Amino acid sequence: DTAVSQTPKYLVTQMGNDKSIKCEQNLGHDTMYWYKQDSKKFLKIMFSYNNKELIINETVPNRFSPKSPDKAHLNLHINSLELGDSAVYFCASSPAGANSPLHFGNGTRLTVT
Amino acid sequence: SQKIEQNSEALNIQEGKTATLTCNYTNYSPAYLQWYRQDPGRGPVFLLLIRENEKEKRKERLKVTFDTTLKQSLFHITASQPADSATYLCALDPPRGGRRALTFGSGTRLQVQP
Repeated sequence: DTAVSQTPKYLVTQMGNDKSIKCEQNLGHDTMYWYKQDSKKFLKIMFSYNNKELIINETVPNRFSPKSPDKAHLNLHINSLELGDSAVYFCASSPAGANSPLHFGNGTRLTVT
Repeated sequence: SQKIEQNSEALNIQEGKTATLTCNYTNYSPAYLQWYRQDPGRGPVFLLLIRENEKEKRKERLKVTFDTTLKQSLFHITASQPADSATYLCALDPPRGGRRALTFGSGTRLQVQP
């Protein structure tokens, strides 16, 4: 009965490859997010979707493309992976409302070699 | 953009003592502030939210204060336990009228010694 689940938990790949991370939430939330946590532990917003519509797209290389087939899923596809893409990627969701707390998945640790 | 500062050095305290963590921010004053707990290998978990018109918020052994003049929030854990050991993150809401995305600090690691 995991609320926000993302797969895989670990992803090791070589530079230049294309990979995807999947995220699903069973909380019935309208909004989903992708955050990136770097080695210094800063969580930075990458994308946000509300009811399948992209509402936030921070300064992220266009090699990163989110896709939301329905409001319970938000996947992240990364093309031409680079060493600097190595990080932990967190999916999150929240209900509607300006001050709603975020519910996070347990992260996907991406290592690019 | 908002800059958030949390003490990057770990805070080590003895079991039973009160832990106090600090979150300072610059630029605009957020309408609300949230605190999260993050354990190794896990995603952050929401703990408390405090609004700008609230000076203090409590939940069990947790207490959060919000001083918009000092641009600071303090997070207290009373009667700390080894199980409280984790990294604690503060997060601020975006500027009014902006598209919503919380801005997180880098967190402070708390270690409670038995």
